[in-house]
Amino acid sequence: AQSVSQHNHHVILSEAASLELGCNYSYGGTVNLFWYVQYPGQHLQLLLKYFSGDPLVKGIKGFEAEFIKSKFSFNLRKPSVQWSDTAEYFCAVKASYGNNRLAFGKGNQVVVIP
Amino acid sequence: NAGVMQNPRHLVRRRGQEARLRCSPMKGHSHVYWYRQLPEEGLKFMVYLQKENIIDESGMPKERFSAEFPKEGPSILRIQQVVRGDSAAYFCASSPSNPPSLYEQYFGPGTRLTVT
Repeated sequence: AQSVSQHNHHVILSEAASLELGCNYSYGGTVNLFWYVQYPGQHLQLLLKYFSGDPLVKGIKGFEAEFIKSKFSFNLRKPSVQWSDTAEYFCAVKASYGNNRLAFGKGNQVVVIP
Repeated sequence: NAGVMQNPRHLVRRRGQEARLRCSPMKGHSHVYWYRQLPEEGLKFMVYLQKENIIDESGMPKERFSAEFPKEGPSILRIQQVVRGDSAAYFCASSPSNPPSLYEQYFGPGTRLTVT
């Protein structure tokens, strides 16, 4: 079964600071990787996804993530955060073939101070 | 294009009562997934259904929990004889078919169940 680790559960930044959230997974086979975001009071929305191809993935709102297969990692980055990026961020993984269930990390609560 | 709909958004039940959570997938989606989020935890997979079929229920507790996705109508997650430990946010997601593994899952707003 897949599992996902996210570190630094609570992150506090000032506006314009850079953000990097770590995500490591454990699974021996081919995977699909996702970052979801949950803004206060809203439902989970997809930020970006990796299925195949270029390991550097660009998502919405200036976010990007890099899949490093040798490190089993899919870290999320944004060069300059805004107050509106205050949210909870979840990394998720699923096996490329077979079951479709997503395994989620515990999430990173990010607070951006104006 | 309406997203995944869940109702109710908030549900309060006393211990021993039944809870019914409903999920309507996005239009054109025939695959539904249920996840549970406990406080300070990530989402945990519960069950994966297609119309009239349970594909994977490996994350469902063995007792009191059941799920269905009938030919007509929403998917239902049913919890019988609720206990305080069932208090959580329950999220539904849907994906297209052909095949579902090629698509991301779209999430609903969740149902927050509180057991008193």
